[in-house]
Amino acid sequence: DVKVTQSSRYLVKRTGEKVFLECVQDMDHENMFWYRQDPGLGLRLIYFSYDVKMKEKGDIPEGYSVSREKKERFSLILESASTNQTSMYLCASRVGGSGNTIYFGEGSWLTVV
Amino acid sequence: DQQVKQNSPSLSVQEGRISILNCDYTNSMFDYFLWYKKYPAEGPTFLISISSIKDKNEDGRFTVFLNKSAKHLSLHIVPSQPGDSAVYFCAASGTQGGSEKLVFGKGTKLTVNP
Repeated sequence: DVKVTQSSRYLVKRTGEKVFLECVQDMDHENMFWYRQDPGLGLRLIYFSYDVKMKEKGDIPEGYSVSREKKERFSLILESASTNQTSMYLCASRVGGSGNTIYFGEGSWLTVV
Repeated sequence: DQQVKQNSPSLSVQEGRISILNCDYTNSMFDYFLWYKKYPAEGPTFLISISSIKDKNEDGRFTVFLNKSAKHLSLHIVPSQPGDSAVYFCAASGTQGGSEKLVFGKGTKLTVNP
């Protein structure tokens, strides 16, 4: 079974703090993704990576950056957290192209106060 | 511009009846469609998918129908069970200009009443 693990399930951070959300997958998938889910807005893509050290902006990259130094690990960074970044963050991975299934982690609930 | 639309934010059905969740898309480049199910405080889990070369795919109680000419797909759950109560996301994927896209709808919250 594919396992996508997000290191923190629940976080509370202060406005202006730097926040790291870590994600690890154990299936040697090339592609990894970060989404956020908000009520009424569905799943919105923040960034994705199709290989080590490669990254591409998704639909809502503003205020975020990512790091992929190793194939199994994809980190989402909030350089200076703001209250409008309070959300559920979902990491996902996929092998190969767009016809393959994308597997999600359990999600990280981030509250910025 | 919403490329994948789930126009019903919520749906309520009785246990044992059929649940039909609908999804419309606008971009002809999408060639693969997926349905995900999400419980509160958990990540989405893959349910069923369909390639654009097919018009139906069935897996147990779940069937997905694709109408390419109408750019419409639907997920049928028969019979519905209380454990099916969750948010269902439709997703469409494809490649355009060498760039892959995977777009999710906003989700439909299904409630199956005992």
